[in-house]
Amino acid sequence: TQLLEQSPQFLSIQEGENLTVYCNSSSVFSSLQWYRQEPGEGPVLLVTVVTGGEVKKLKRLTFQFGDARKDSSLHITAAQPGDTGLYLCAGAKDTDKLIFGTGTRLQVFP
Amino acid sequence: SQTIHQWPATLVQPVGSPLSLECTVEGTSNPNLYWYRQAAGRGLQLLFYSVGIGQISSEVPQNLSASRPQDRQFILSSKKLLLSDSGFYLCAWSGLRTGELFFGEGSRLTVL
Repeated sequence: TQLLEQSPQFLSIQEGENLTVYCNSSSVFSSLQWYRQEPGEGPVLLVTVVTGGEVKKLKRLTFQFGDARKDSSLHITAAQPGDTGLYLCAGAKDTDKLIFGTGTRLQVFP
Repeated sequence: SQTIHQWPATLVQPVGSPLSLECTVEGTSNPNLYWYRQAAGRGLQLLFYSVGIGQISSEVPQNLSASRPQDRQFILSSKKLLLSDSGFYLCAWSGLRTGELFFGEGSRLTVL
């Protein structure tokens, strides 16, 4: 059972555009992480958010954790071809495992 | 610094043959270890995780098994592969309770 739904599933945009990826669940998480994955490689952590309402910025990427800690968003400003990849959210409950979202594949064209 | 390696990177096996994927972590002790499977371009499904030597938790009923013979070694196995076992397998470690995961390079398995 997939607890974390990401939308959109696919996103194809031109360089310079802005975009937002959503990660939604009916479950509450103690923390939420965002990863980016290149083809043929393992995911790499971008950020961890732990407090409801928390906003973190990583250069052109802005991450927000929902007030109820059930959802999160990733906003990219002025997307670049280097942002291309599969974006995965992952939620942690009070156990030793992460639950991954369904993934959003982003393609940024020059 | 910590490193994680898994092998082989690519594997093509006939249906009914055995499987062994290996994963080792260096530079840390007593890590939590994980095996995930990923369908093409999609999210990761947790298969097994381990909090210590000989301690394996299985997340989904399946044709696969896992073992942790040493602190920093995690092995994914099957006695008889099925077509549905094809996929991209990722090993990961975490040093903190529900902390960030560090992934290996992945192993792509094709069962024919």
